[in-house]
Amino acid sequence: EDQVTQSPEALRLQEGESSSLNCSYTVSGLRGLFWYRQDPGKGPEFLFTLYSAGEEKEKERLKATLTKKESFLHITAPKPEDSATYLCAVLSGNTGKLIFGQGTTLQVKP
Amino acid sequence: SAVISQKPSRDICQRGTSLTIQCQVDSQVTMMFWYRQQPGQSLTLIATANQGSEATYESGFVIDKFPISRPNLTFSTLTVSNLSPEDSSIYLCSVDRGDSYNEQFFGPGTRLTVL
Repeated sequence: EDQVTQSPEALRLQEGESSSLNCSYTVSGLRGLFWYRQDPGKGPEFLFTLYSAGEEKEKERLKATLTKKESFLHITAPKPEDSATYLCAVLSGNTGKLIFGQGTTLQVKP
Repeated sequence: SAVISQKPSRDICQRGTSLTIQCQVDSQVTMMFWYRQQPGQSLTLIATANQGSEATYESGFVIDKFPISRPNLTFSTLTVSNLSPEDSSIYLCSVDRGDSYNEQFFGPGTRLTVL
């Protein structure tokens, strides 16, 4: 069964304190792993797509990496405006559907 | 990416009534999707709506409760019928541009509260 698990559920950081969010997955025929940012009351905002193990993508203070079993979203020197829920999703080659994890809610304090 | 708008952005409805949510995209897309996000939960796919064919519903979602229209390549509606408090959620539409990247882009969502 296709499944996505994110950890931790919640993360509180001080401004400038780097950390990583984890996304573990099992999927039949990975067609892509996606990271989204979701602010309260808004739709998910697309961040990255990763397609194969070893691939990395960067955007400002965020860096996403991918292995055969998990993905990490590294946040370097976060700022309060990085506070949001970060969602991980995988596109199943078996079903063609996007399967979401439960998300990690990040709070960055000044 | 794609620019997606939804109407209404939020609504409060009475039990037993229906709400129709509109999703408009700034470019033609083949695949549109409707998701539900219950309070504190992640996204669950309701159905896939392709232009020119009947919507495909996921397990646990039925056409009588969630009828969908897809009249053209830039527009879709989702109706949530016979509302109950359990339908209180955020409803999101998304699109896949149909290229090889398989990326989905989401609208801002419609927050529904059922009293």
